[in-house]
Amino acid sequence: QKEVEQNSGPLSVPEGAIASLNCTYSDRGSQSFFWYRQYSGKSPELIMFIYSNGDKEDGRFTAQLNKASQYVSLLIRDSQPSDSATYLCAVQSYNTDKLIFGTGTRLQVFP
Amino acid sequence: DVKVTQSSRYLVKRTGEKVFLECVQDMDHENMFWYRQDPGLGLRLIYFSYDVKMKEKGDIPEGYSVSREKKERFSLILESASTNQTSMYLCASSSTLLSSNQPQHFGDGTRLSIL
Repeated sequence: QKEVEQNSGPLSVPEGAIASLNCTYSDRGSQSFFWYRQYSGKSPELIMFIYSNGDKEDGRFTAQLNKASQYVSLLIRDSQPSDSATYLCAVQSYNTDKLIFGTGTRLQVFP
Repeated sequence: DVKVTQSSRYLVKRTGEKVFLECVQDMDHENMFWYRQDPGLGLRLIYFSYDVKMKEKGDIPEGYSVSREKKERFSLILESASTNQTSMYLCASSSTLLSSNQPQHFGDGTRLSIL
C-alpha cells in the first residue's frame, strides 16, 4: 500500500469551475500536510500547508484536512488555464523532517 | 524568499563517469535533501542531511553518495554513472523549528542524461 495516494488524473475542469484534488495517507502519526504545484519541466512550488483539522484558505486555494479519515484535499476556486499543472500532496510525520510525496494529480483547465 | 540553486539545469554524461551535482541554499537551513523524479514514480528520496557532515540514506541510496562540508552546500555524487540514473534530480532545503514542521523548498532541478 502506498503511503500517500493521489489519483493521477488528468482531472479536467472548465475555466471558472472549482477543481477538487484529493489525497489519502496511511500513517496516522502524520501531522503536517503540504500541497505543491509542478508545471511541466519545472520544480515543485509550495502553494499551501495545513496542520490542523478543518479548512485553511489562501486566495483561490483552500486546503481541507480530516485526520480521522486520513484525508487531505485542495480546492481551487475560479480555476484558470494557468492552474493547469501537476499537484503533489506531501505528508510529514511527527518528529521527522522528511516528506512523503504522492505521485501527483494532473489538472487541466480548459477555456 | 528562499533560494535553492542547483549548478546545472541540463547535464549529459557517459556511463562509468563520476558525476557531481551541486546544490546551494541561502536561508541557513539545517536540512537538505536530494530527490530524483521519474514519470509514474513520483519524487523519491535519495539522501538527506540534517547538519554539516551528517547524512542519512533515503529510499533509493544505491549508486549515490553525498557530501555536506558546509551548511549551505549539499552535493550528490554518482560514483559510476549508469543509464538507469537518467532522471530529473531535485534538491530541497528546509528549516527545523521546534514549534512546527517546515516545508521544503526546491531548486530548479537538474535533468541528467547518462549515455
